[in-house]
Amino acid sequence: DIQMTQSPSSLSASVGDRVTITCRASQDIRNDLGWYQQKPGKAPKRLIYGTSSLQNGVPSRFSGSGSGTEFTLTISSLQPEDFATYYCLQQNTYPWTFGQGTKVEIK
Amino acid sequence: QVQLVESGGGVVQPGRSLRLSCVTSGFTFDMFGMHWVRQAPGKGLEWVAAIWFDGKTKYYGDSVKGRFTISRDISKSTLYLQMNSLRAEDTAVYYCARVHPKAAYYYGIDVWGQGTTVTVSS
Repeated sequence: DIQMTQSPSSLSASVGDRVTITCRASQDIRNDLGWYQQKPGKAPKRLIYGTSSLQNGVPSRFSGSGSGTEFTLTISSLQPEDFATYYCLQQNTYPWTFGQGTKVEIK
Repeated sequence: QVQLVESGGGVVQPGRSLRLSCVTSGFTFDMFGMHWVRQAPGKGLEWVAAIWFDGKTKYYGDSVKGRFTISRDISKSTLYLQMNSLRAEDTAVYYCARVHPKAAYYYGIDVWGQGTTVTVSS
């Protein structure tokens, strides 16, 4: 199975900060990766698909990059509504696997 | 609009069985692959199972393989998860999810249900 190592597991940041979250795959997954945001008690929501394509309706401050085994989610200017937990998901090979999650908290 | 509504969760004893349902609407069910994803209390997301649009190709996570079965009823636009030999570690919120019909590997999951809670306890 492909292992997804996501870092950091949590971070504290202020409104307006630039935030970067990383996922590393244990083998090449091309660009078959998505990023999901989850708020407490809610279902996840897709932010990014295909490594860097923005889901319709998602603010442009969110962006994704990478390929192969290294991937990054960047929030260019953190907003109050962005405090949540973020997960990467490799969709290249079954079983699909999620990263462990990154909880973004208010500093 | 597109909707996925899960049901069937509850409290069940270890070793017993439970069947989850996910009723879908707002899209052509037999054109899309469907997945189950779960989340244990206070933990991260765990991918559980997938079934392709044709109902013939299925995949399972290692922790549920041999115990869980994913299936679909096209006539009812409904996805199922039959869970047998349940264990305490299966306690979680179970989400059903839709994937792109032709390129799930690229587009991933685009729609999620609200989840149903399964508690395995004596």
